[in-house]
Amino acid sequence: TQLLEQSPQFLSIQEGENLTVYCNSSSVFSSLQWYRQEPGEGPVLLVTVVTGGEVKKLKRLTFQFGDARKDSSLHITAAQPGDTGLYLCAGGNNNNDMRFGAGTRLTVKP
Amino acid sequence: KAGVTQTPRYLIKTRGQQVTLSCSPISGHRSVSWYQQTPGQGLQFLFEYFSETQRNKGNFPGRFSGRQFSNSRSEMNVSTLELGDSALYLCASSLFRGPGNEQFFGPGTRLTVL
Repeated sequence: TQLLEQSPQFLSIQEGENLTVYCNSSSVFSSLQWYRQEPGEGPVLLVTVVTGGEVKKLKRLTFQFGDARKDSSLHITAAQPGDTGLYLCAGGNNNNDMRFGAGTRLTVKP
Repeated sequence: KAGVTQTPRYLIKTRGQQVTLSCSPISGHRSVSWYQQTPGQGLQFLFEYFSETQRNKGNFPGRFSGRQFSNSRSEMNVSTLELGDSALYLCASSLFRGPGNEQFFGPGTRLTVL
Protein backbone atom coordinates (compact mmCIF):
# COMPACT_ATOMS: atom_id res chain seq x y z
CA THR A 1 0.00 0.00 0.00
CA GLN A 2 1.39 3.38 -1.05
CA LEU A 3 1.65 6.04 1.62
CA LEU A 4 0.83 8.56 -1.08
CA GLU A 5 -1.93 7.68 -3.55
CA GLN A 6 -1.80 9.36 -6.92
CA SER A 7 -4.70 9.54 -9.36
CA PRO A 8 -5.28 8.94 -12.09
CA GLN A 9 -2.61 6.36 -12.74
CA PHE A 10 -2.68 7.03 -16.49
CA LEU A 11 -3.96 10.03 -18.41
CA SER A 12 -4.00 10.56 -22.17
CA ILE A 13 -5.26 13.87 -23.52
CA GLN A 14 -5.09 16.06 -26.59
CA GLU A 15 -2.85 19.10 -26.86
CA GLY A 16 -4.60 22.19 -25.53
CA GLU A 17 -6.72 20.40 -22.93
CA ASN A 18 -6.55 21.10 -19.19
CA LEU A 19 -5.95 18.43 -16.59
CA THR A 20 -5.61 17.90 -12.86
CA VAL A 21 -3.76 15.11 -11.09
CA TYR A 22 -4.08 14.36 -7.41
CA CYS A 23 -1.86 13.18 -4.59
CA ASN A 24 -3.59 12.03 -1.40
CA SER A 25 -2.44 10.64 1.91
CA SER A 26 -3.76 9.95 5.38
CA SER A 27 -0.47 11.28 6.77
CA VAL A 28 0.58 14.86 7.38
CA PHE A 29 3.77 16.04 5.70
CA SER A 30 6.05 18.98 6.44
CA SER A 31 6.58 19.44 2.74
CA LEU A 32 5.34 18.05 -0.51
CA GLN A 33 7.18 18.02 -3.78
CA TRP A 34 6.18 17.35 -7.37
CA TYR A 35 8.63 15.84 -9.84
CA ARG A 36 8.48 14.99 -13.52
CA GLN A 37 10.37 12.02 -14.87
CA GLU A 38 11.05 11.27 -18.52
CA PRO A 39 12.14 7.88 -19.86
CA GLY A 40 15.76 7.07 -19.16
CA GLU A 41 16.19 9.93 -16.73
CA GLY A 42 15.82 10.60 -13.05
CA PRO A 43 12.97 12.70 -11.65
CA VAL A 44 13.34 16.47 -11.91
CA LEU A 45 11.89 18.67 -9.18
CA LEU A 46 9.08 20.99 -10.31
CA VAL A 47 7.99 22.57 -7.04
CA THR A 48 8.10 22.31 -3.25
CA VAL A 49 5.15 23.38 -1.10
CA VAL A 50 5.47 23.64 2.66
CA THR A 51 2.48 25.64 3.94
CA GLY A 52 -1.04 24.25 4.21
CA GLY A 53 -3.27 25.90 1.58
CA GLU A 54 -0.27 27.12 -0.39
CA VAL A 55 -0.69 27.64 -4.13
CA LYS A 56 2.28 27.94 -6.45
CA LYS A 57 2.26 28.67 -10.16
CA LEU A 58 4.95 27.70 -12.61
CA LYS A 59 3.94 28.98 -16.06
CA ARG A 60 1.03 26.70 -17.07
CA LEU A 61 1.34 24.52 -13.95
CA THR A 62 -0.52 25.28 -10.72
CA PHE A 63 0.28 23.35 -7.56
CA GLN A 64 -1.81 23.35 -4.41
CA PHE A 65 -1.07 21.94 -0.97
CA GLY A 66 -4.12 20.95 1.05
CA ASP A 67 -4.99 22.91 4.18
CA ALA A 68 -4.27 19.86 6.35
CA ARG A 69 -0.99 19.15 4.50
CA LYS A 70 -2.14 15.68 3.57
CA ASP A 71 -2.91 16.14 -0.09
CA SER A 72 -1.93 18.11 -3.15
CA SER A 73 -3.01 18.71 -6.71
CA LEU A 74 -1.26 19.66 -9.92
CA HIS A 75 -3.25 21.45 -12.61
CA ILE A 76 -1.90 21.93 -16.12
CA THR A 77 -3.52 24.46 -18.41
CA ALA A 78 -3.39 24.04 -22.19
CA ALA A 79 -1.25 20.91 -22.08
CA GLN A 80 1.50 20.50 -24.65
CA PRO A 81 3.28 17.36 -25.92
CA GLY A 82 6.34 18.48 -23.98
CA ASP A 83 4.37 17.98 -20.76
CA THR A 84 4.35 14.22 -21.41
CA GLY A 85 6.00 12.29 -18.61
CA LEU A 86 5.58 10.59 -15.26
CA TYR A 87 4.46 13.02 -12.55
CA LEU A 88 5.46 12.02 -9.05
CA CYS A 89 4.51 13.55 -5.74
CA ALA A 90 6.70 13.06 -2.69
CA GLY A 91 6.01 13.87 0.94
CA GLY A 92 8.74 14.68 3.42
CA ASN A 93 9.15 15.27 7.11
CA ASN A 94 12.03 16.31 9.28
CA ASN A 95 14.64 14.28 7.49
CA ASN A 96 15.54 13.33 3.97
CA ASP A 97 13.20 10.32 3.93
CA MET A 98 10.97 11.29 1.04
CA ARG A 99 7.97 9.03 0.38
CA PHE A 100 6.89 8.92 -3.23
CA GLY A 101 3.57 8.13 -4.83
CA ALA A 102 3.40 5.65 -7.72
CA GLY A 103 2.96 8.49 -10.19
CA THR A 104 0.60 9.63 -12.92
CA ARG A 105 1.76 8.83 -16.43
CA LEU A 106 0.61 11.68 -18.67
CA THR A 107 0.57 11.52 -22.46
CA VAL A 108 -0.28 14.65 -24.42
CA LYS A 109 -1.04 13.94 -28.05
CA PRO A 110 -0.35 16.60 -30.68
CA LYS B 1 27.90 22.65 -12.51
CA ALA B 2 27.93 18.90 -13.15
CA GLY B 3 24.83 16.98 -12.13
CA VAL B 4 24.54 13.76 -10.22
CA THR B 5 26.30 10.92 -12.00
CA GLN B 6 25.67 7.22 -11.57
CA THR B 7 27.71 4.31 -12.81
CA PRO B 8 27.18 1.97 -14.43
CA ARG B 9 24.04 2.97 -16.33
CA TYR B 10 23.07 -0.60 -17.13
CA LEU B 11 23.94 -3.87 -15.45
CA ILE B 12 22.95 -7.48 -15.96
CA LYS B 13 23.56 -10.00 -13.19
CA THR B 14 22.36 -13.47 -12.29
CA ARG B 15 20.63 -14.63 -9.15
CA GLY B 16 22.93 -15.07 -6.20
CA GLN B 17 25.54 -12.60 -7.40
CA GLN B 18 26.27 -9.30 -5.71
CA VAL B 19 26.46 -5.85 -7.23
CA THR B 20 27.89 -2.44 -6.34
CA LEU B 21 26.48 0.78 -7.75
CA SER B 22 28.17 4.15 -7.56
CA CYS B 23 26.84 7.69 -7.21
CA SER B 24 28.74 10.97 -7.41
CA PRO B 25 26.70 13.86 -5.98
CA ILE B 26 26.72 17.46 -7.12
CA SER B 27 29.83 19.21 -5.88
CA GLY B 28 29.21 20.57 -2.39
CA HIS B 29 26.23 18.34 -1.66
CA ARG B 30 26.74 16.21 1.41
CA SER B 31 23.51 14.24 1.46
CA VAL B 32 23.00 11.26 -0.81
CA SER B 33 19.80 9.22 -0.85
CA TRP B 34 19.15 6.00 -2.72
CA TYR B 35 15.83 4.85 -4.18
CA GLN B 36 14.59 1.75 -5.95
CA GLN B 37 12.06 2.30 -8.75
CA THR B 38 9.94 -0.53 -10.15
CA PRO B 39 6.75 -0.42 -12.22
CA GLY B 40 4.78 -2.14 -9.49
CA GLN B 41 6.03 -0.34 -6.37
CA GLY B 42 7.12 3.01 -7.75
CA LEU B 43 9.94 4.89 -6.06
CA GLN B 44 10.89 3.44 -2.70
CA PHE B 45 13.40 4.94 -0.31
CA LEU B 46 16.40 2.75 0.49
CA PHE B 47 18.67 4.88 2.69
CA GLU B 48 20.28 8.26 3.11
CA TYR B 49 23.85 9.16 3.92
CA PHE B 50 25.10 12.45 5.24
CA SER B 51 28.68 13.17 6.23
CA GLU B 52 29.62 9.50 5.81
CA THR B 53 26.91 8.32 8.23
CA GLN B 54 23.68 6.53 7.42
CA ARG B 55 20.96 8.85 8.71
CA ASN B 56 17.84 7.09 7.58
CA LYS B 57 16.89 3.67 6.28
CA GLY B 58 13.85 2.40 4.39
CA ASN B 59 12.15 -0.95 4.72
CA PHE B 60 14.53 -3.14 2.75
CA PRO B 61 16.30 -6.35 3.79
CA GLY B 62 19.86 -6.37 5.04
CA ARG B 63 21.08 -7.52 1.62
CA PHE B 64 20.89 -3.85 0.66
CA SER B 65 23.67 -1.77 2.12
CA GLY B 66 25.54 1.38 1.36
CA ARG B 67 28.31 3.69 2.36
CA GLN B 68 29.52 7.21 1.78
CA PHE B 69 33.07 8.38 1.39
CA SER B 70 34.73 11.54 2.65
CA ASN B 71 34.26 13.19 -0.77
CA SER B 72 30.48 12.50 -0.46
CA ARG B 73 30.52 9.88 -3.21
CA SER B 74 28.31 6.97 -2.29
CA GLU B 75 28.02 3.31 -3.16
CA MET B 76 25.24 0.85 -2.60
CA ASN B 77 25.66 -2.87 -2.56
CA VAL B 78 23.14 -5.64 -3.04
CA SER B 79 24.22 -9.12 -2.09
CA THR B 80 22.65 -12.46 -3.05
CA LEU B 81 20.64 -10.93 -5.86
CA GLU B 82 17.06 -12.03 -6.41
CA LEU B 83 14.90 -11.68 -9.53
CA GLY B 84 12.79 -9.11 -7.70
CA ASP B 85 15.80 -6.83 -7.33
CA SER B 86 15.54 -5.94 -11.01
CA ALA B 87 14.82 -2.23 -10.97
CA LEU B 88 16.05 1.25 -11.70
CA TYR B 89 18.23 2.41 -8.82
CA LEU B 90 18.31 6.16 -8.41
CA CYS B 91 20.47 8.29 -6.22
CA ALA B 92 19.71 11.86 -5.28
CA SER B 93 21.91 14.48 -3.72
CA SER B 94 20.95 17.53 -1.72
CA LEU B 95 22.73 20.40 -0.08
CA PHE B 96 21.11 20.01 3.29
CA ARG B 97 18.69 17.77 5.18
CA GLY B 98 15.18 18.47 6.35
CA PRO B 99 11.78 19.36 4.94
CA GLY B 100 11.61 21.25 1.68
CA ASN B 101 15.15 20.47 0.64
CA GLU B 102 15.65 20.02 -3.09
CA GLN B 103 16.92 16.64 -4.20
CA PHE B 104 18.69 16.31 -7.51
CA PHE B 105 18.43 12.90 -9.09
CA GLY B 106 20.90 11.08 -11.25
CA PRO B 107 19.83 9.16 -14.37
CA GLY B 108 19.83 5.87 -12.49
CA THR B 109 21.36 2.45 -12.91
CA ARG B 110 19.09 -0.11 -14.51
CA LEU B 111 19.79 -3.48 -12.94
CA THR B 112 18.47 -6.65 -14.53
CA VAL B 113 18.73 -9.89 -12.58
CA LEU B 114 18.39 -13.07 -14.64
